[in-house]
Amino acid sequence: GQNIDQPTEMTATEGAIVQINCTYQTSGFNGLFWYQQHAGEAPTFLSYNVLDGLEEKGRFSSFLSRSKGYSYLLLKELQMKDSASYLCAVMDSNYQLIWGAGTKLIIKP
Amino acid sequence: DADVTQTPRNRITKTGKRIMLECSQTKGHDRMYWYRQDPGLGLRLIYYSFDVKDINKGEISDGYSVSRQAQAKFSLSLESAIPNQTALYFCATSGNIDAGELFFGEGSRLTVL
Repeated sequence: GQNIDQPTEMTATEGAIVQINCTYQTSGFNGLFWYQQHAGEAPTFLSYNVLDGLEEKGRFSSFLSRSKGYSYLLLKELQMKDSASYLCAVMDSNYQLIWGAGTKLIIKP
Repeated sequence: DADVTQTPRNRITKTGKRIMLECSQTKGHDRMYWYRQDPGLGLRLIYYSFDVKDINKGEISDGYSVSRQAQAKFSLSLESAIPNQTALYFCATSGNIDAGELFFGEGSRLTVL
C-alpha cells in the first residue's frame, strides 16, 4: 500500500530552526509537496520537489532524497505565525496526491 | 474575494437528510477536487474532475456523488447523510501543468447528528 509518515506534533522556540521529516512509500513518484495549514483554515502550497536536493524559498527550505523516500521541511527564524500543521504529499504514478496526516508545529515564545 | 468559494461554510443536519456542498472557482482551472479531512488522518480524495465531461471516483467515494455543472462549478452531494460523514470538506482546483499545486476553498464543516 501507499504510505506517508510524518511526526504528529513538534514543538520549537521562536527564533529557532525546526526540521519536519516525511518518509514515503508510494507507487511511483512524480513529485513531493509541502503545504501549510493554520487551524481552521485551508491548506496553502509551500513547496515542490521532484529532483534530489534542497529547494530554498525565504525562511523555508525543502529537501528530497528519492532513493531514501525521504523529505524534510526546514523552517528558520521561527515566528509565532508559523504555528500550523504542515502536510506532506506525494504525487504517485497515476498523478494522484497521497497525503500524510500532517505535523502540528507548536511555537513557544 | 476568494478564488475558490465553498458554500455552506458550516452545516448541521440529521441522519438521512440530503446535503449538497457547492464549490465555485475563478482560477480558470480545469481540474477540481473534493476532499474530506478528519482529525489524525490525511486529506482523502472523494471525487475529482479534469474537465466538465470528466468525473472520477477517489479513494472514498461511497455515499457521495458529484456534479460538474460548468468549468467553474463542482458540487458534492450526500444523498442520505450518516454520522460518520461528519468532517471538514475541502474543494480544490489545480492547473493542468502544475497539477500538484492545489488551491483550496475555505472548507465546509459538516456535522451529521
